[in-house]
Amino acid sequence: SAVISQKPSRDICQRGTSLTIQCQVDSQVTMMFWYRQQPGQSLTLIATANQGSEATYESGFVIDKFPISRPNLTFSTLTVSNMSPEDSSIYLCSVGTGANTEAFFGQGTRLTVV
Amino acid sequence: AQKITQTQPGMFVQEKEAVTLDCTYDTSDQSYGLFWYKQPSSGEMIFLIYQGSYDEQNATEGRYSLNFQKARKSANLVISASQLGDSAMYFCAMRETGSSNTGKLIFGQGTTLQVKP
Repeated sequence: SAVISQKPSRDICQRGTSLTIQCQVDSQVTMMFWYRQQPGQSLTLIATANQGSEATYESGFVIDKFPISRPNLTFSTLTVSNMSPEDSSIYLCSVGTGANTEAFFGQGTRLTVV
Repeated sequence: AQKITQTQPGMFVQEKEAVTLDCTYDTSDQSYGLFWYKQPSSGEMIFLIYQGSYDEQNATEGRYSLNFQKARKSANLVISASQLGDSAMYFCAMRETGSSNTGKLIFGQGTTLQVKP
């Protein structure tokens, strides 16, 4: 299994500002993903973080709003830009190893935009 | 397109009894995996159990078992001997693992389980 450290665990931010969330894995992983969970809702995939290239975004999510970096096989960041109250959610980092049977999550970042 | 459906928004169970959480799925892929996660109020996602589409036996992990009925496209989670600490949101998820394997998970809407003392 992989141990994932995600930070910050929570934050309260002013509208119009940006927040960068970090995801650190204790081993090299092939796949890293960022999910959003709006209040009372299920998880929705934002993007796949690709090592050494631009992230692959899902429909409804754009790079200008959610820029993602993945400089190596153990680390990724997600930035939530120009925040509004509608961005208040839990943001979760997830990793997949070579085995299809595994999919682990970080502790999540609970973001509140005021 | 892939889809996961959890039709029970909320469930109650008496402590020490068993409970079944429903999950049905839809996919055109022959190779896929099904996951169950527990999400307590803290927000973290805790992996519970995995079932592969080609696995002949139902998966079990301690008090968790998966009732996999491939023809009906259902993958229900059974929790035996419920404990107060089992109170949480439970999500069913699917990943296609064949040629279209992107590693992405598709989630159901979730079921809130409350265990009564």
